[in-house]
Amino acid sequence: GAGVSQTPSNKVTEKGKYVELRCDPISGHTALYWYRQSLGQGPEFLIYFQGTGAADDSGLPNDRFFAVRPEGSVSTLKIQRTERGDSAVYLCASSFWGSSYNEQFFGPGTRLTVL
Amino acid sequence: GQQLNQSPQSMFIQEGEDVSMNCTSSSIFNTWLWYKQDPGEGPVLLIALYKAGELTSNGRLTAQFGITRKDSFLNISASIPSDVGIYFCAISQGNLIFGKGTKLSVKP
Repeated sequence: GAGVSQTPSNKVTEKGKYVELRCDPISGHTALYWYRQSLGQGPEFLIYFQGTGAADDSGLPNDRFFAVRPEGSVSTLKIQRTERGDSAVYLCASSFWGSSYNEQFFGPGTRLTVL
Repeated sequence: GQQLNQSPQSMFIQEGEDVSMNCTSSSIFNTWLWYKQDPGEGPVLLIALYKAGELTSNGRLTAQFGITRKDSFLNISASIPSDVGIYFCAISQGNLIFGKGTKLSVKP
C-alpha cells in the first residue's frame, strides 16, 4: 500500500518568505508527527496530531511555525518569515494509535533551503 | 530535554566484517528503537525492544535492550554494501527522540 508522502520534495525560498509543506499520511493512521532534521543530526520532534487536534506542539521552535490537520488526514506545516536557520529536511510520520508501541512510518521528507 | 548519546559517530569497514554501535542515556526508558536512514529517505524501523535484557534479531541485525534500561546495542553481522547508511537509536515518549546517528560506510 501507499506509504507516507510529502510534497514538495524540495523547496527553495528566500529569507522572509512564507512556505507550506504538505504531508499525506498512511490511510487510516490517526496520529501524525512532524520532525525536523538538520545536517548531521537525528530528527527532532516538532508537533504531533491525534486526529484533527494538536496533542503536543512543544517542539515547535517559535511562533513562526504552525501546523494544521483540518480533516484528520492531510497535514500542512506552515513557516512564516523564513530564516536561513530554518533550512533542514522536514519529515512527517504517521502511526495507528493503539498499536503495541505506536510504530511511526516516515515519509521521504521535504528539503527546505532558505537563501 | 532527553539526550541519547550514540557512538561511534561514523564507521568505515570492510565488507564481511561485523559492526557494533551503541546508545546510552542518563534516563530509564521502556522502549528502545533502532532505525536506518538511506540518503533522501525517511528513517525506517529495524528493530524495536520492549524489555530490559531483551535480545532481538532481524536477519543479520541483532539488538539488545540493556539491563539498566539506559542503553541499547545494535550489531550487524557480515556487513554488505547495502548496509551503508545512517543508523539511529531512538526512544518513544509518544513522539520519538533520536540519537545523532552512526554513519556506516562499507568498502566493496
